[in-house]
Amino acid sequence: GAVVSQHPSWVICKSGTSVKIECRSLDFQATTMFWYRQFPKQSLMLMATSNEGSKATYEQGVEKDKFLINHASLTLSTLTVTSAHPEDSSFYICSASKETNTGELFFGEGSRLTVL
Amino acid sequence: GQNIDQPTEMTATEGAIVQINCTYQTSGFNGLFWYQQHAGEAPTFLSYNVLDGLEEKGRFSSFLSRSKGYSYLLLKELQMKDSASYLCAVRGSGGYNKLIFGAGTRLAVHP
Repeated sequence: GAVVSQHPSWVICKSGTSVKIECRSLDFQATTMFWYRQFPKQSLMLMATSNEGSKATYEQGVEKDKFLINHASLTLSTLTVTSAHPEDSSFYICSASKETNTGELFFGEGSRLTVL
Repeated sequence: GQNIDQPTEMTATEGAIVQINCTYQTSGFNGLFWYQQHAGEAPTFLSYNVLDGLEEKGRFSSFLSRSKGYSYLLLKELQMKDSASYLCAVRGSGGYNKLIFGAGTRLAVHP
């Protein structure tokens, strides 16, 4: 199947700093990638849709100035959590869809962010 | 609005059969997906339904009724490794192929 890779897998940062998470599609080109956030024992909450070469589309309630998304190429999208606070601690997962019959999403390994 | 409902938790015995239900109300419909997620890991794709009926894939089957806004995932011959969360997700009719996920059902398989 298609491979989507995320980096870093784990990150611990101090409150007030910014953290960048990378999402790469390794064996296919992804015009669109999706960023999800998942709190413990909860489901995936869609944060934004990342579009190559244009601005991301954010879901209601997600602050676009706090969660900066850049999709500079067909294989790379980045999520930057700016001025992170402890409440931003979460599991962030990116995904992309390949041109298959089902259009299923392929997920990265996820990035666990802990803000101290 | 959009609403996807599934039971929070289920338990079952190794070797048994379990059915996980999902009901949905979404703005448009363009497919329903089931994903499996082990704790601390990313979800993995299990099944896809876009037309009414049953899709079988080895030990796993998924059913869809679009008129009822209902789906279920059927797991047969349960194994301990099937203990995981099972996520129901719906793709609406909007663009970009985005999926909206239900809260997930945590399945615990006991010996």
